Amino acid sequence: EVQVVESGGGLVQPGGSLRLSCEASGFSFSDYEFNWVRQAPGKGLEWVAYTSRSPATVFYADSVKGRFTISRDSARGSLYLQMKSLRADDTAIYYCARAPETVPVNARFDVWGRGTMVTVSS
Amino acid sequence: QSALTQPASVSGSPGQSITITCTGSRTDVGNYNVVSWYQQHPGRAPKLLIYEVHKRPSGVSPRFSGSKSGNTASLTISGLQAEDEADYYCCSYAHVNTWVFGGGTVLTVL
Repeated sequence: EVQVVESGGGLVQPGGSLRLSCEASGFSFSDYEFNWVRQAPGKGLEWVAYTSRSPATVFYADSVKGRFTISRDSARGSLYLQMKSLRADDTAIYYCARAPETVPVNARFDVWGRGTMVTVSS
Repeated sequence: QSALTQPASVSGSPGQSITITCTGSRTDVGNYNVVSWYQQHPGRAPKLLIYEVHKRPSGVSPRFSGSKSGNTASLTISGLQAEDEADYYCCSYAHVNTWVFGGGTVLTVL
């Protein structure tokens, strides 16, 4: 079965750090691009970060640039999101979303995980 | 990057057709044929319905169709069914290597 499973969420204090993971299975991880998309409680979807296939090109939303780092490990079939200097408005469900490589740009998020909840609060 | 504009809510009766619009600008929807649509039921992950404006992934019902005119993309659901009641989001590639979602539309099946 094709799936991605996120983990690593939890409660963290403002200014703290957290590392999210996304484990892929059922398909060739290295053949795909990936994204992180988040959803604050009761709110809409917000694109957070993107990584191309290796060697990776990465892009970030302005709201997380300089604080979040997306990375991938093809040997482990895993995607990561290192988050630092967390703020209350980073509180959200974080989804890992697979993206088939499309020219010239990523055109769709075709497989989503169930998400992992990150709560930033003192 | 500002969110794309969607109506907050739409409604329809079973069997009817409804259309959800998604308005952007020349820097996103109007400049790229990279609009996708997602359905999200409460407490569930989003599901891809439409990509590249009008293409349907395998397994998605032909009742779902997409189109675009200028800076506005549209999702039409025909033959409305109770199971279509959900939140719907559009998404577009935007300039300077970012992607932007719409604010979401709540569909109520009366």
